[in-house]
Amino acid sequence: GAVVSQHPSWVICKSGTSVKIECRSLDFQATTMFWYRQFPKQSLMLMATSNEGSKATYEQGVEKDKFLINHASLTLSTLTVTSAHPEDSSFYICSGTRDVSYEQYFGPGTRLTVT
Amino acid sequence: KNEVEQSPQNLTAQEGEFITINCSYSVGISALHWLQQHPGGGIVSLFMLSSGKKKHGRLIATINIQEKHSSLHITASHPRDSAVYICAVRSQGAQKLVFGQGTRLTINP
Repeated sequence: GAVVSQHPSWVICKSGTSVKIECRSLDFQATTMFWYRQFPKQSLMLMATSNEGSKATYEQGVEKDKFLINHASLTLSTLTVTSAHPEDSSFYICSGTRDVSYEQYFGPGTRLTVT
Repeated sequence: KNEVEQSPQNLTAQEGEFITINCSYSVGISALHWLQQHPGGGIVSLFMLSSGKKKHGRLIATINIQEKHSSLHITASHPRDSAVYICAVRSQGAQKLVFGQGTRLTINP
């Protein structure tokens, strides 16, 4: 159990457009979801933490108006990259936790390329 | 200095060798995670531990809370073990993880 999916797995978009990435917990209720980005050969960087029904908590330096996070249900969180630019090209990964043990279950990631 | 330091950063070994990857951290923690990331990018959680030792197949993870140190061992390594191994810690009272920079492991046949 504890499977997290992401959709799409990869996306190419034009500069200035918006892209929505979905993160779903398939067999558990994720009370908290995390969104990360990862640049090539670097480790994961936490962008924001989102609790179901609450506003996301963004890490320092992450623009909340550019990276819109919605966690409307216990099984779905979305990340929308608004007005994407080439520097937003990255690998975006979500994870969810289901209980107080806080073990995180990671999605397979979404590779975003902005042209 | 990063809160979580891994060593080595890169490791190349022959199939069958015993592999050790180390992780040191500087904060009080509730738990430490070992993660595996394959070239395709997906991340798999290998272990979450807060004390002692855990074993799963050929993988063994140990942690010494007093010394703030953890090790991940792979016995009888295989080319399919080639991946980036990431140590991450969760501070006491926190939800989020702090990640090490990762160890890139290559096992040659």
